[in-house]
Amino acid sequence: AQKITQTQPGMFVQEKEAVTLDCTYDTSDPSYGLFWYKQPSSGEMIFLIYQGSYDQQNATEGRYSLNFQKARKSANLVISASQLGDSAMYFCAMREVHSGGGADGLTFGKGTHLIIQP
Amino acid sequence: DSGVTQTPKHLITATGQRVTLRCSPRSGDLSVYWYQQSLDQGLQFLIQYYNGEERAKGNILERFSAQQFPDLHSELNLSSLELGDSALYFCASSGDRGRAGELFFGEGSRLTVL
Repeated sequence: AQKITQTQPGMFVQEKEAVTLDCTYDTSDPSYGLFWYKQPSSGEMIFLIYQGSYDQQNATEGRYSLNFQKARKSANLVISASQLGDSAMYFCAMREVHSGGGADGLTFGKGTHLIIQP
Repeated sequence: DSGVTQTPKHLITATGQRVTLRCSPRSGDLSVYWYQQSLDQGLQFLIQYYNGEERAKGNILERFSAQQFPDLHSELNLSSLELGDSALYFCASSGDRGRAGELFFGEGSRLTVL
């Protein structure tokens, strides 16, 4: 089973509208972190926002907020007042503290290609 | 600037050749991760090192190898290159262990195999 699922391969949104990018995850580890990264066409991975599994409040960073619904294992990214510069690939990722095999890195979803239209 | 440095940024080589990608983690970070991003496979975890020791392996081919040196920089060696190895290779580092904090990514090394 996929650990991170992003069901929207691509999205077109009008400038200034709010955008919600979906992400669901699967883990049995009680301690984990959820991340969103932005990857513009230039290729670098830009960290946007982080939510810890024990955090009581949803994370916010400027125009980015994370709608964390733990019982549903959902961690959707909300971008308010979208801008042309928001056009990029967006990846949801999870880091488990007690993952099997010893690795404690990130597991990524397949990404959503967001295009903001003027 | 994440503090993670990867070289080279771009590399073009031929099938059958061998290349080495280099990564310098953030100062003080003991963990280094290598990821491969190709169009059809997305972001795949390759291998992780912690303080010079291999900690975990992901989808790393036998033609690929890596190591982490005493100064904590890491190298990813890709040999007998095939067209399908063309990808963006990311290095990331982390200072924590047993916690679910942020990984810091380098800008990537874009490998093109012709």
